[in-house]
Amino acid sequence: GAVVSQHPSRVICKSGTSVKIECRSLDFQATTMFWYRQFPKQSLMLMATSNEGSKATYEQGVEKDKFLINHASLTLSTLTVTSAHPEDSSFYICSARDGGGKYNEQFFGPGTRLTVL
Amino acid sequence: AQKVTQAQTEISVVEKEDVTLDCVYETRDTTYYLFWYKQPPSGELVFLIRRNSFDEQNEISGRYSWNFQKSTSSFNFTITASQVVDSAVYFCALSAIQGAQKLVFGQGTRLTINP
Repeated sequence: GAVVSQHPSRVICKSGTSVKIECRSLDFQATTMFWYRQFPKQSLMLMATSNEGSKATYEQGVEKDKFLINHASLTLSTLTVTSAHPEDSSFYICSARDGGGKYNEQFFGPGTRLTVL
Repeated sequence: AQKVTQAQTEISVVEKEDVTLDCVYETRDTTYYLFWYKQPPSGELVFLIRRNSFDEQNEISGRYSWNFQKSTSSFNFTITASQVVDSAVYFCALSAIQGAQKLVFGQGTRLTINP
């Protein structure tokens, strides 16, 4: 099946620094990628939808200047958490949609656990 | 607006018991997808099933079965003869078939199978 990777898997940073998370589709081209955030013992909440070569579409309540998304190629999307604060500590999960696949399925990455001190 | 409700926050059963996880959804779309995912302690989401709203046939895969009832907007998931390895958080989700196909997740049900 299709594989989506995320890097890093875990990151600890100091408050005020920026952190970049990469999401890659390894064996298919993803015209659309999604970024989710999951706080402890809660559900996944969609943050934004990114389409290759265009600006991301953010969900209501998500600050686009704080969570920068770049989808520069058909296999890579990045999420940068700028000026991170402890309340940004969360599990960030990306998914990529295989637009060329038989079923147009979404495949999830393994997630990135961000801890802001 | 789309909404998925998993009323059972936590379920705990003894190994080999059957267990059913409930999922009720709301959508204005006439066609849509329904999903179930498993999230073990590692955090990675494991895809279990996708069901097209056109197809109301129930599905069985090994010890797993799904009951889709469009009339009651429910998509319940049953594990037969549960095992300790089934312990995880299970999410039901919904997406449109057209457009961006954003997933809307339920709150999740934490299932614990005790030996």
